[in-house]
Amino acid sequence: GAGVSQSPSNKVTEKGKDVELRCDPISGHTALYWYRQSLGQGLEFLIYFQGNSAPDKSGLPSDRFSAERTGGSVSTLTIQRTQQEDSAVYLCASSLRPMPLQFGSGTRLTVV
Amino acid sequence: KQEVTQIPAALSVPEGENLVLNCSFTDSAIYNLQWFRQDPGKGLTSLLLIQSSQREQTSGRLNASLDKSSGRSTLYIAASQPGDSATYLCAVEGVTGGGNKLTFGTGTQLKVEL
Repeated sequence: GAGVSQSPSNKVTEKGKDVELRCDPISGHTALYWYRQSLGQGLEFLIYFQGNSAPDKSGLPSDRFSAERTGGSVSTLTIQRTQQEDSAVYLCASSLRPMPLQFGSGTRLTVV
Repeated sequence: KQEVTQIPAALSVPEGENLVLNCSFTDSAIYNLQWFRQDPGKGLTSLLLIQSSQREQTSGRLNASLDKSSGRSTLYIAASQPGDSATYLCAVEGVTGGGNKLTFGTGTQLKVEL
């Protein structure tokens, strides 16, 4: 596709449920990133993939958060037992160095 | 730990004015610095990327400078237009601790009024 695609664009879930967020990066981009943007806050780094491996998982907030990438392409961010503080916009970006990151439009997650 | 600060947090200017947005970072060991624009409810759009060896980059009415030794960058917008209204974010890609991680500032919310 022409850009980074994220789905769903909006997700409302009940506290305690699991959610999966999907990211389709730009074809050929080897690097993929997940960021979180909470209301009024800056972008918080979550995880970075180079190919299918994740050399930097330092930003994952807790063990309820996990991510995987398959075939060097699609990535899924999973949040288990969601809490209200997980409510945020989750942004995915991809790049082919040394070009700048290209971001998707994000998934707005609301935990009620 | 890298920290990125943007000043001012919000700015309102009349159409046609030239303006400067500021970004500072605490760790000068960076690969590059990037400026992004974010429109409400949308993702980020890359505006300019300055490699650590460069001093500035220009694209149309935008000019970004980088002074790595002092940990500062500025984004200059010439002849501002209402369509420039958005939040502008700067981000640095660090050399240490996971070199491909961008650390973002909290942004400057710009409003250009008619």
